[in-house]
Amino acid sequence: GENVEQHPSTLSVQEGDSAVIKCTYSDSASNYFPWYKQELGKRPQLIIDIRSNVGEKKDQRIAVTLNKTAKHFSLHITETQPEDSAVYFCALLTGGFKTIFGAGTRLFVKA
Amino acid sequence: DAGVIQSPRHEVTEMGQEVTLRCKPISGHDYLFWYRQTMMRGLELLIYFNNNVPIDDSGMPEDRFSAKMPNASFSTLKIQPSEPRDSAVYFCASTAGGLISGANVLTFGAGSRLTVL
Repeated sequence: GENVEQHPSTLSVQEGDSAVIKCTYSDSASNYFPWYKQELGKRPQLIIDIRSNVGEKKDQRIAVTLNKTAKHFSLHITETQPEDSAVYFCALLTGGFKTIFGAGTRLFVKA
Repeated sequence: DAGVIQSPRHEVTEMGQEVTLRCKPISGHDYLFWYRQTMMRGLELLIYFNNNVPIDDSGMPEDRFSAKMPNASFSTLKIQPSEPRDSAVYFCASTAGGLISGANVLTFGAGSRLTVL
């Protein structure tokens, strides 16, 4: 069945450093890969997404890369700030139009 | 639009009681999803609807769980009888669906935090 694995489960960085979160998947039919951010006690919200016809997408301090051949995609956050502290979920849209989530990465940015 | 509206925000009940969670999706969104979030299992998709029709309920844990969508603006998730292991945050989300940019972005409700004692 559809599956997406996410690493690491916890990530601690110093303010100003970069953070990288990686996900791998198995369903080669997947063609849409969103990333959601969930702050403590809040709902998940989309921060960036990428489609399979694009290898990289950037929005200010965040970027996502996709390697469809290797079936992995990554989130990159540069110049991290304390407000970046949250849980980040990778996800993918399956052929059946389901969005499946990774297990999440808890990011701590130390001031 | 006020976004996806869920009620109740918090529910505390005793084992064996019936629980009904409610959701109003964004107007015009054709897809509605129910997710359950726990520390152990993360965000699990329970069921989703397209144009009020259940499409995939393979994530529904057992027969104690049922979901309905009687019209385009309302859905319920019911647990009967409830058990302590059902304690979780239940999120409803909706999306427009289709091929245009942004059509697959999930908009989540604030969630319903369920505690079964």
